[in-house]
Amino acid sequence: DADVTQTPRNRITKTGKRIMLECSQTKGHDRMYWYRQDPGLGLRLIYYSFDVKDINKGEISDGYSVSRQAQAKFSLSLESAIPNQTALYFCATSDEGADTGELFFGEGSRLTVL
Amino acid sequence: GQNIDQPTEMTATEGAIVQINCTYQTSGFNGLFWYQQHAGEAPTFLSYNVLDGLEEKGRFSSFLSRSKGYSYLLLKELQMKDSASYLCAAMDSNYQLIWGAGTKLIIKP
Repeated sequence: DADVTQTPRNRITKTGKRIMLECSQTKGHDRMYWYRQDPGLGLRLIYYSFDVKDINKGEISDGYSVSRQAQAKFSLSLESAIPNQTALYFCATSDEGADTGELFFGEGSRLTVL
Repeated sequence: GQNIDQPTEMTATEGAIVQINCTYQTSGFNGLFWYQQHAGEAPTFLSYNVLDGLEEKGRFSSFLSRSKGYSYLLLKELQMKDSASYLCAAMDSNYQLIWGAGTKLIIKP
């Protein structure tokens, strides 16, 4: 089983619908992140959380919200989806104590908004 | 502003050597990362450099020059499974990662 699990892996929805992407991890890391990836662009940070009580906006947080329900769970919501939110979304974790700050990514959630 | 530049696509031959370059401009600097991403999969960590010089790890090596804002990833003895995108990312003074768009490496037999 993957250490960082995302659900759903694929989702097609319509404009205006509410969507939640979920992420859970078994690595015991405190730090969790949500990124989106678009063709021709680098990964862009949406939100990040350094512990259960800590939530921070990233580069492109508008139109998104997050919830850190537990150390192991970090969900991303799109309150009213729009077509330009069509993208591949990645959850990632990192260990605060690690020398390199290496990120461990989930398998990705491909979202299509029609 | 902050920026990462890397070539969009490169082609190389199985068994050969290829060097993927990355230049960066960030507000402060706390290290340079390389990740590998196969099509449709998650990125996976390859290397981290924070000091100038070459770090070797098997067939892969990564080089950093902080004064030039430059890094490269060197892949030796290329195998077909090395066909993937290679992502360069620099960490700024706030420990935020700035990502390049990735270099798609195509390996031909």
